[in-house]
Amino acid sequence: LAKTTQPISMDSYEGQEVNITCSHNNIATNDYITWYQQFPSQGPRFIIQGYKTKVTNEVASLFIPADRKSSTLSLPRVSLSDTAVYYCLVGDPYNNQGGKLIFGQGTELSVKP
Amino acid sequence: NAGVTQTPKFQVLKTGQSMTLQCAQDMNHEYMSWYRQDPGMGLRLIHYSVGAGITDQGEVPNGYNVSRSTTEDFPLRLLSAAPSQTSVYFCASSERGTGWSEQYFGPGTRLTVT
Repeated sequence: LAKTTQPISMDSYEGQEVNITCSHNNIATNDYITWYQQFPSQGPRFIIQGYKTKVTNEVASLFIPADRKSSTLSLPRVSLSDTAVYYCLVGDPYNNQGGKLIFGQGTELSVKP
Repeated sequence: NAGVTQTPKFQVLKTGQSMTLQCAQDMNHEYMSWYRQDPGMGLRLIHYSVGAGITDQGEVPNGYNVSRSTTEDFPLRLLSAAPSQTSVYFCASSERGTGWSEQYFGPGTRLTVT
């Protein structure tokens, strides 16, 4: 199972771009990188997933270098409502063993006015 | 669509009691899973199912049972509650096409065992 390492916490201000990096040195060939967002007292919410290079959606961008040993979630122009915990997960989403997705402790992002 | 629903929202049990946490989804998702989240921690997978009639153990299955008789429902049974099972429990579902990556989570059940 690919272990992930990400910062425990980050602070930012409204309007700034926030980049959260996740390390996953032993990522396997079939593994994808997935990010979730969790607000207090709520279940996690899927943000974005990628395999290599760059993926962008209406919420965020995900940058994955060629060696795939790390990835960066980029949140453009954050607002107070982006204050949440962000989880980086690495796993094979298509295996029949529950994906064995490990959530870890996540990065607690605090956005200030 | 209601998405993933969980009942109850809150529950207090005494040590040794048993109960069932309910989970239902109306999205016709094949994959369903149960997680627990302890304070300040990430989520840990308890049990999962890839379809009706098929279940398997996750990372922390001891003390819990599941069954999947229909596509919609995936109840989690606590056999004999212990204080160590005090946690927030989340149920999630996803469709086979996207696999386990894009899971939809329910609002959670906050369980306290005294």
